[in-house]
Amino acid sequence: EAQVTQNPRYLITVTGKKLTVTCSQNMNHEYMSWYRQDPGLGLRQIYYSMNVEVTDKGDVPEGYKVSRKEKRNFPLILESPSPNQTSLYFCASSPGLAGGPWWSTDTQYFGPGTRLTVL
Amino acid sequence: KNEVEQSPQNLTAQEGEFITINCSYSVGISALHWLQQHPGGGIVSLFMLSSGKKKHGRLIATINIQEKHSSLHITASHPRDSAVYICADTGGGADGLTFGKGTHLIIQP
Repeated sequence: EAQVTQNPRYLITVTGKKLTVTCSQNMNHEYMSWYRQDPGLGLRQIYYSMNVEVTDKGDVPEGYKVSRKEKRNFPLILESPSPNQTSLYFCASSPGLAGGPWWSTDTQYFGPGTRLTVL
Repeated sequence: KNEVEQSPQNLTAQEGEFITINCSYSVGISALHWLQQHPGGGIVSLFMLSSGKKKHGRLIATINIQEKHSSLHITASHPRDSAVYICADTGGGADGLTFGKGTHLIIQP
């Protein structure tokens, strides 16, 4: 089954304790992205990657790191989490047309979300 | 900075009604996306538009590039259409997506 998986789905942690949220897709997609969703603010893009070893900042990258060493995986790393990073996080991927920009595809496939609470 | 505005924020309607959700953006775009977020939180991509109109089942999305405006229509609405509908655009460049805050739709039987 074509899908985007995220782990963990729920996480409660404490300030300053490094954590990684994994994201994996099995569709050989070029483009992957991380978003956070907060009440009243909606979805905001954290980082995105247009291909292996290519990552770019979105609107709210502060406090986050990403890596894209393999096409299928795009982990989100919080080196020193703080309470303001309590949020619902989504990973997404899309194929992109061959030779074209990522946004020229019809569909983004979203993971199920990770609810993170930082105490 | 690109801004995306959606209206209405909340909409309650009766089953069978024709629904329209609006999205306006401030910067010329390459593509505009419509997403649906289910009550359980999962997000599904509905449409990507760069011009004209697209239809999928009872859902229709239109875009007017000159007016920087897009609409999502639902015909013969059903309670299972109850969800948050989100538009997002690419801002005309190689940057990521900018999202509207979403429209919370409730269809009552």
